[in-house]
Amino acid sequence: QSVLTQPPSASGTPGQRVTISCSGSSSNIGSNYVYWYRQFPGTAPKLLIYRNNQRPSGVSDRFSGSKSGTSASLAISGLRSEDEADYYCAAWDDSLSGRVFGGGTKLTVL
Amino acid sequence: EVQLVETGGGLIQPGGSLRLSCAASGFTVSSNYMSWVRQAPGKGLEWVSVIYSGGTTYYADSVKGRFTISRDNSKNTLYLQMNSLRVEDTAVYYCASEQPTSGFDSWGQGTLVTVSS
Repeated sequence: QSVLTQPPSASGTPGQRVTISCSGSSSNIGSNYVYWYRQFPGTAPKLLIYRNNQRPSGVSDRFSGSKSGTSASLAISGLRSEDEADYYCAAWDDSLSGRVFGGGTKLTVL
Repeated sequence: EVQLVETGGGLIQPGGSLRLSCAASGFTVSSNYMSWVRQAPGKGLEWVSVIYSGGTTYYADSVKGRFTISRDNSKNTLYLQMNSLRVEDTAVYYCASEQPTSGFDSWGQGTLVTVSS
């Protein structure tokens, strides 16, 4: 059972906008930054969003992050077939004194 | 170019020990926060441990007391000493680097640890 809760799956059609939620608590999302990672099968994860809503250099502006209270979300606009991947949220947890990940969301492009 | 290369994985019996290494290039390990993150087969990501630039370390409860994170500044290498290994420690282990609050911006390719009799 992950400390951060994500839906196990999400889907959309090409061109659509999809959002993936991440729910936590006051000890993690509520008081620390949220990060989002994308992972293709058999490869290492890649950072998509840091500090809740910042994109690293080279990450498409189709990806955006937001945070409100103890929840966060990742939005992907203009969905493409190559966006099919697993997406993970993460945050530091003050109570656990450690980084926590969500269980991951498998995005399917229909 | 920043590069992280993990080595040391393999098949080990329950109760055994293994040391993973993560050789870094393109940046200084001691200047960054360095973490180990693992992923059991078919499962999600699980953070394992971090060592801060100042030397402070933290561990996930699941490995506390069994795993030790360290670094060798002269070799620019991160380590994870894993003792009393359990079947549930079976996973691909990634090392990852980050600047404070910037997220894991660099990852290694991962090394597979299989704990089985």
